[in-house]
Amino acid sequence: GEDVEQSLFLSVREGDSSVINCTYTDSSSTYLYWYKQEPGAGLQLLTYIFSNMDMKQDQRLTVLLNKKDKHLSLRIADTQTGDSAIYFCAEFTGGGNKLTFGTGTQLKVEL
Amino acid sequence: DAMVIQNPRYQVTQFGKPVTLSCSQTLNHNVMYWYQQKSSQAPKLLFHYYDKDFNNEADTPDNFQSRRPNTSFCFLDIRSPGLGDAAMYLCATSSGKSYEQYFGPGTRLTVT
Repeated sequence: GEDVEQSLFLSVREGDSSVINCTYTDSSSTYLYWYKQEPGAGLQLLTYIFSNMDMKQDQRLTVLLNKKDKHLSLRIADTQTGDSAIYFCAEFTGGGNKLTFGTGTQLKVEL
Repeated sequence: DAMVIQNPRYQVTQFGKPVTLSCSQTLNHNVMYWYQQKSSQAPKLLFHYYDKDFNNEADTPDNFQSRRPNTSFCFLDIRSPGLGDAAMYLCATSSGKSYEQYFGPGTRLTVT
């Protein structure tokens, strides 16, 4: 079945690293994604990882995938106030051409 | 810039009065999606078009319909909106050869 879970809130200080975690249950997921949503806005694709990879780095973003534990994380280095938003992980399952989103983690960056 | 555009950004309709939300794209993507996102919840897929082929999710209410007259445009029709249909409606597109979905800014629907 498809079920994607995230913790609801994360608060960090500006300049620290943030780590947002996600667990999923569908072992047939081919791609896993991180999206950012600012208040009142649509979803912005941040990065994604193919299921045969265990790490992907893109500037301040590092994605780690533990396929055995079905655990995905997003690390944001040097977190800035502009990073404050809701972050959704999502899994793509080939059948149905469909993304299933997690519950979202609200990241608050404090000065 | 290539993009996904949704109009209007904010829509108010009355209970039971049909409403249409619009999405257009300049990405020339062949797949277009409609998601419903209620407050503090994850986006939920309603349906998608792969080219002209319509794919409805099993739990999408019959009250929700969609039209795709051409590659660039896709419409979401809500035949008789209820108070529970108040939400943000997000349109997304993808190329059939890619697994990336690109989202529009959304239309926030209020039902009075």
